[in-house]
Amino acid sequence: AQSVAQPEDQVNVAEGNPLTVKCTYSVSGNPYLFWYVQYPNRGLQFLLKYITGDNLVKGSYGFEAEFNKSQTSFHLKKPSALVSDSALYFCAVREQTGANNLFFGTGTRLTVIP
Amino acid sequence: NAGVTQTPKFQVLKTGQSMTLQCAQDMNHEYMSWYRQDPGMGLRLIHYSVGAGITDQGEVPNGYNVSRSTTEDFPLRLLSAAPSQTSVYFCASSYSGTDTYGYTFGSGTRLTVV
Repeated sequence: AQSVAQPEDQVNVAEGNPLTVKCTYSVSGNPYLFWYVQYPNRGLQFLLKYITGDNLVKGSYGFEAEFNKSQTSFHLKKPSALVSDSALYFCAVREQTGANNLFFGTGTRLTVIP
Repeated sequence: NAGVTQTPKFQVLKTGQSMTLQCAQDMNHEYMSWYRQDPGMGLRLIHYSVGAGITDQGEVPNGYNVSRSTTEDFPLRLLSAAPSQTSVYFCASSYSGTDTYGYTFGSGTRLTVV
């Protein structure tokens, strides 16, 4: 069975400071990992993905994520937070084989304080 | 603009009523899926389809039906609405069952069952 854990419901960070949104996953095989962002009253937007290769993945809006196989983690990071980064962030996982069904975490609300 | 279109955006139903949530995509995506989003529970997969004429159940299929007669459309039917089906519903699509592109999401349908 596949699952994703986002241990923090809420993350607050001051504008200009680095931010981290945590994600751990569980799959029986090798994972494909994704981060999505949701702004109020909108659908989810793709941020970045890990498929294979370099463990550090760069995505949209200056976000990056680091795949750590031994810790089964895929934390989202940004060196300098913006107020406009305030949103709901979802981590998702799927196995490399089988149907293309993504399993999502419960989401982390990021608030960047001016 | 290309993308996933969901209608309606808002709907209020009485318990026991039926309705269909519409989802259409114009990107020639083979894979389509329906999720519901509830506070504290993230997104949960209801039904999915890997191509026209093929559908399958996700995590929470009870009370919902789907069909996929064309590549473009993937409607979700609520047979007899219950208050527990009050939620925000998202349709998503991607190229195929084996791609790594992630999903394109619609903007959602907010459903209230009274």
